[in-house]
Amino acid sequence: QKEVEQNSGPLSVPEGAIASLNCTYSDRGSQSFFWYRQYSGKSPELIMSIYSNGDKEDGRFTAQLNKASQYVSLLIRDSQPSDSATYLCAAVSGGYNKLIFGAGTRLAVHP
Amino acid sequence: EAQVTQNPRYLITVTGKKLTVTCSQNMNHEYMSWYRQDPGLGLRQIYYSMNVEVTDKGDVPEGYKVSRKEKRNFPLILESPSPNQTSLYFCASSLSPTEIRQYFGPGTRLTVT
Repeated sequence: QKEVEQNSGPLSVPEGAIASLNCTYSDRGSQSFFWYRQYSGKSPELIMSIYSNGDKEDGRFTAQLNKASQYVSLLIRDSQPSDSATYLCAAVSGGYNKLIFGAGTRLAVHP
Repeated sequence: EAQVTQNPRYLITVTGKKLTVTCSQNMNHEYMSWYRQDPGLGLRQIYYSMNVEVTDKGDVPEGYKVSRKEKRNFPLILESPSPNQTSLYFCASSLSPTEIRQYFGPGTRLTVT
């Protein structure tokens, strides 16, 4: 069973700080990785995708991928209370037919 | 507006009473899938479809059926619902599984008593 693991949290950070969210995956064949944000009671929305080793930046968000360590992370700079949500890490399985989600990390940004 | 719609949004039913949750997308996407979300378990894929008349099991298919007779529609069928199928269900679509963006429907909260 291919897995994606995340710490469930909650991760609590003060407003303006950097939030660091981490994820590990078991399928060495995975090549595509995504971070989704999900507000309580709402559907997931894609915020970042990453396919190559290294960093990818988009505004306040930076995704990091290390395929050798099978590790994906998401950094949120200048965290805002509106960033408080559950963040889901997902990996496309090596067979390219399924997206495997982690259980999510709940982030709480306090003023 | 590009969107995935699901109906109903909320449903309370009793054990054994067949039900269908509809899913429709207006983006001409080939790939569609159904997920259930339970506390602590995240999103788990129930079934997916690569195209019309092509469906396959995901990680938790037991107790569910799907069909894909038209590209835009992908209904989820519970022939004999049981309480362990109480969950939040999401339909999603994309051009392909590796497409940069998967569009999720608003979710259907199902309670089986």
